[in-house]
Amino acid sequence: GAVVSQHPSWVICKSGTSVKIECRSLDFQATTMFWYRQFPKQSLMLMATSNEGSKATYEQGVEKDKFLINHASLTLSTLTVTSAHPEDSSFYICSAQERRRETQYFGPGTRLLVL
Amino acid sequence: AQSVTQPDIHITVSEGASLELRCNYSYGATPYLFWYVQSPGQGLQLLLKYFSGDTLVQGIKGFEAEFKRSQSSFNLRKPSVHWSDAAEYFCAVGLKTSYDKVIFGPGTSLSVIP
Repeated sequence: GAVVSQHPSWVICKSGTSVKIECRSLDFQATTMFWYRQFPKQSLMLMATSNEGSKATYEQGVEKDKFLINHASLTLSTLTVTSAHPEDSSFYICSAQERRRETQYFGPGTRLLVL
Repeated sequence: AQSVTQPDIHITVSEGASLELRCNYSYGATPYLFWYVQSPGQGLQLLLKYFSGDTLVQGIKGFEAEFKRSQSSFNLRKPSVHWSDAAEYFCAVGLKTSYDKVIFGPGTSLSVIP
């Protein structure tokens, strides 16, 4: 149980285009989903927290117009990187959490390369 | 401010040897504590967690961790390391704020010598 998927696992795009990453909880309802960014050889940095049906809460320094997050259902959250630039290249990981549960379950990650 | 430290950036052990990965946290209350493992290019897998109760917790893959309030520590241990344990290990603190938030430590990279 507690499986989280991400799609795509790899994406390469041209600078200036937008990229959408999906995060799905496959066998539970995720009232809260989290989006992290991880640079090579570094830890995870929380970008934003999204609750189903509400606007996402962004961490300080994260541009909400750059990284659009939608949590439209209890099993799906999406992260859209708008007008991507090479500095947005990174490993993006989502996690999902059930209501009143303290544990986050992580997806396998999406590697984004912006050329 | 809340923080998590993992003093060892990289550890190398021989296969079959014992392992201890250190984790210290700074938080005003008793936090939720987690250990996650990340293989190269992969997401994170939960090894174990501590919420309350018995301070020695057992996890998957033969790992255990002990919560020591007096030392603000949550060290991860394994009595005999296998080559497949080579990975990045993250200690994390869960905070109960207006929403649940997890702060990750910087990670410890484990290499295993055959």
